[in-house]
Amino acid sequence: GENVEQHPSTLSVQEGDSAVIKCTYSDSASNYFPWYKQELGKGPQLIIDIRSNVGEKKDQRIAVTLNKTAKHFSLHITETQPEDSAVYFCAVYSSNTGKLIFGQGTTLQVKP
Amino acid sequence: EAQVTQNPRYLITVTGKKLTVTCSQNMNHEYMSWYRQDPGLGLRQIYYSMNVEVTDKGDVPEGYKVSRKEKRNFPLILESPSPNQTSLYFCASSLGTGVDSPLHFGNGTRLTVT
Repeated sequence: GENVEQHPSTLSVQEGDSAVIKCTYSDSASNYFPWYKQELGKGPQLIIDIRSNVGEKKDQRIAVTLNKTAKHFSLHITETQPEDSAVYFCAVYSSNTGKLIFGQGTTLQVKP
Repeated sequence: EAQVTQNPRYLITVTGKKLTVTCSQNMNHEYMSWYRQDPGLGLRQIYYSMNVEVTDKGDVPEGYKVSRKEKRNFPLILESPSPNQTSLYFCASSLGTGVDSPLHFGNGTRLTVT
């Protein structure tokens, strides 16, 4: 089945710096790649997603890049702010299995 | 307000005492699902439902039951809880599955089984 690996598990950056979280997957039939942000005491919330026919997508300070050949995609957060501190999950949807598989999560800490 | 509501938020119980965690959504979503979140393991799917009276096992279904008698409700039942079911549980719903069907999560239920 699909295997999703997310790195790093924890990431600490200074306010204003950039943060990058990377996920790799194994199923070449995967065609949808969302990212979720989980704030303390809350459920995960979708922040950005990308389809397999697109290489990059941006939404203000966040962007996602996809390399289908290498089977990896990354979340980029620029000009980080303390409110970006949260747990981030990548996920991969496979059209073969009809399943959404989540990565292990990355705890991002932005120090003021 | 569109939301997924789980209850209770916190639950402490003892081994073997049956419990139910309720989940309700007000978005008329067809798809509902339960996940557990454990450190280092991410979100793992327990059970899901594509529609009323249609449920199926996820990746970690052992020790859990679900039902979908109405579209809006999807309770998670632990008939005989054990300490390895101590975890953070999330209910989620979406219009369908896959592209253009983002999951909407509840705020979680933290379960401790002693």
